[in-house]
Amino acid sequence: QKEVEQNSGPLSVPEGAIASLNCTYSDRGSQSFFWYRQYSGKSPELIMSIYSNGDKEDGRFTAQLNKASQYVSLLIRDSQPSDSATYLCAPLTGTASKLTFGTGTRLQVTL
Amino acid sequence: KAGVTQTPRYLIKTRGQQVTLSCSPISGHRSVSWYQQTPGQGLQFLFEYFSETQRNKGNFPGRFSGRQFSNSRSEMNVSTLELGDSALYLCASSGDSEQYFGPGTRLTVT
Repeated sequence: QKEVEQNSGPLSVPEGAIASLNCTYSDRGSQSFFWYRQYSGKSPELIMSIYSNGDKEDGRFTAQLNKASQYVSLLIRDSQPSDSATYLCAPLTGTASKLTFGTGTRLQVTL
Repeated sequence: KAGVTQTPRYLIKTRGQQVTLSCSPISGHRSVSWYQQTPGQGLQFLFEYFSETQRNKGNFPGRFSGRQFSNSRSEMNVSTLELGDSALYLCASSGDSEQYFGPGTRLTVT
């Protein structure tokens, strides 16, 4: 079993729709969770962090965390073509700053 | 506030050579982590330095090493380069738990 699992996609959504990205993780000791966006040829950009069970909203982005189910998700409302990128889920492992990344979900927002 | 900087941005080396990459974290951040990104393996953790000490290490061979200076700048070194070391090398700067990535160094080994 992989430590962090994401559907590789591509996930195709029309402009203006809600994109739903999912991630499961195996380390029950993970306490902090991050979503990064990576455009092709660029480095990952932090877009959301979540530390407690429940929802956290920031603009068009909502992160959801369920530690009991070891599940974290990212919702993107009113998707725009500029949201087309690979989204990486990364739990923080242990006391040191080690991020374990999933393979990422490629999102395509179509006109 | 300036972001994370990495030098050089691009590098071409020959098998057997060694290479040193540099990373300057965000001002005030004391933790620097290094990651390797390849199409086949994705993003993998190399090591993390905090206050000049290696605090955590990933599953990479001893050819990969690093260090951190008193000003928090960090370097990573890869000795005896192999073709499989071709990758994007990313450093991430952290002040608490959130990590911010630099633009990366694209290393090509021929």
